[in-house]
Amino acid sequence: QKEVEQDPGPLSVPEGAIVSLNCTYSNSAFQYFMWYRQYSRKGPELLMYTYSSGNKEDGRFTAQVDKSSKYISLFIRDSQPSDSATYLCAKQDQGGSEKLVFGKGTKLTVNP
Amino acid sequence: DAGITQSPRHKVTETGTPVTLRCHQTENHRYMYWYRQDPGHGLRLIHYSYGVKDTDKGEVSDGYSVSRSKTEDFLLTLESATSSQTSVYFCAISGYGGDSDTQYFGPGTRLTVL
Repeated sequence: QKEVEQDPGPLSVPEGAIVSLNCTYSNSAFQYFMWYRQYSRKGPELLMYTYSSGNKEDGRFTAQVDKSSKYISLFIRDSQPSDSATYLCAKQDQGGSEKLVFGKGTKLTVNP
Repeated sequence: DAGITQSPRHKVTETGTPVTLRCHQTENHRYMYWYRQDPGHGLRLIHYSYGVKDTDKGEVSDGYSVSRSKTEDFLLTLESATSSQTSVYFCAISGYGGDSDTQYFGPGTRLTVL
């Protein structure tokens, strides 16, 4: 089992919808989780990172971690066509090392 | 944008030829990484560096070597390219490599091995 599992989608929603993107992980030693956004033919850019359980909010984006169920989520409120991208979840390798492990990414399309 | 450039941005080469990709940063960050991104596999770490001349293997290091003689440059070499190395290669940097340290990615190099 891969350490971070992510539904690849694709996911297509109308403009203004609430989007939920999800990942699961298999190792409880992780402390930090990140969400990256990647536009077509571009490099990934960090969207949010979160530590421990609970929610972290930044504008229309909310990152949520549920360590009891090993579930991480990204919610996008009032989705816009400019949110159309691939979203990658990532976890910090155990022991606080510098390595990240990524999910395969979910491709999101927001239709006007 | 983080000051990361990759060169070349696109390359087509033939099986068996050597290829070197370059990552250059202007941020003076200690850590540098090479990833490859393939459909169905996502981003996978090839090699990384935690200082000048200090490197270590990642998840998919076979067939690749790296070198870092200066803080700002991290080179990825395919000694004898194979078709399975056709991919998009991303370089990333981070400041101190510790908990929650952010990795910033370059624009990528699209490599095709015929």
